[in-house]
Amino acid sequence: GAGVSQSPSNKVTEKGKDVELRCDPISGHTALYWYRQSLGQGLEFLIYFQGNSAPDKSGLPSDRFSAERTGGSVSTLTIQRTQQEDSAVYLCASSTLAGGDNEQFFGPGTRLTVL
Amino acid sequence: AQKITQTQPGMFVQEKEAVTLDCTYDTSDQSYGLFWYKQPSSGEMIFLIYQGSYDEQNATEGRYSLNFQKARKSANLVISASQLGDSAMYFCAMREGRAGGTSYGKLTFGQGTILTVHP
Repeated sequence: GAGVSQSPSNKVTEKGKDVELRCDPISGHTALYWYRQSLGQGLEFLIYFQGNSAPDKSGLPSDRFSAERTGGSVSTLTIQRTQQEDSAVYLCASSTLAGGDNEQFFGPGTRLTVL
Repeated sequence: AQKITQTQPGMFVQEKEAVTLDCTYDTSDQSYGLFWYKQPSSGEMIFLIYQGSYDEQNATEGRYSLNFQKARKSANLVISASQLGDSAMYFCAMREGRAGGTSYGKLTFGQGTILTVHP
């Protein structure tokens, strides 16, 4: 079946603009996660959803970052007034349920460059 | 304090030899899980192996095994019979908390180890 898909694959924007990143999880997966990976670094947790609810959004760096999930499926991560330090690869993952031994399946990521 | 520590920024191994990638973790939870992921240069994250804190046996998946030493809080990945295709970044990650807790789904990742397999 289809894996996790993300769009766009690359996004170049100017400082101060808003961007929206989209994640389409594996069908039937109720949990969805957003992570950020800066150049040569590990993955930094941003937020996760169980269904349409976000039990943990502790990793969002500032109030410029927000995410929503509708219909228990697609999720959108929005970054307002982008800054150069927002440049990174944004990775989305999904799993059948949150936690436990449930493997997170990752998408290919969106590479965001803020000029 | 770092929750996941991978002390080896880079490792080299000869093809067909075994290699151990180190991972230590820090948690006060009794229930937790440890994951290893591989990230080739193409960028996709590939799940390798999982170890639960209550699992009595070390996890194994094909050529991958996890050397879990709970008292030392270490969860080292052992790759046997290395192949050229094993060259990649390897991440150790931890899931903490009780089922139903707010952070139950969250994974905390280490900084990774770049493995290079030489022919």
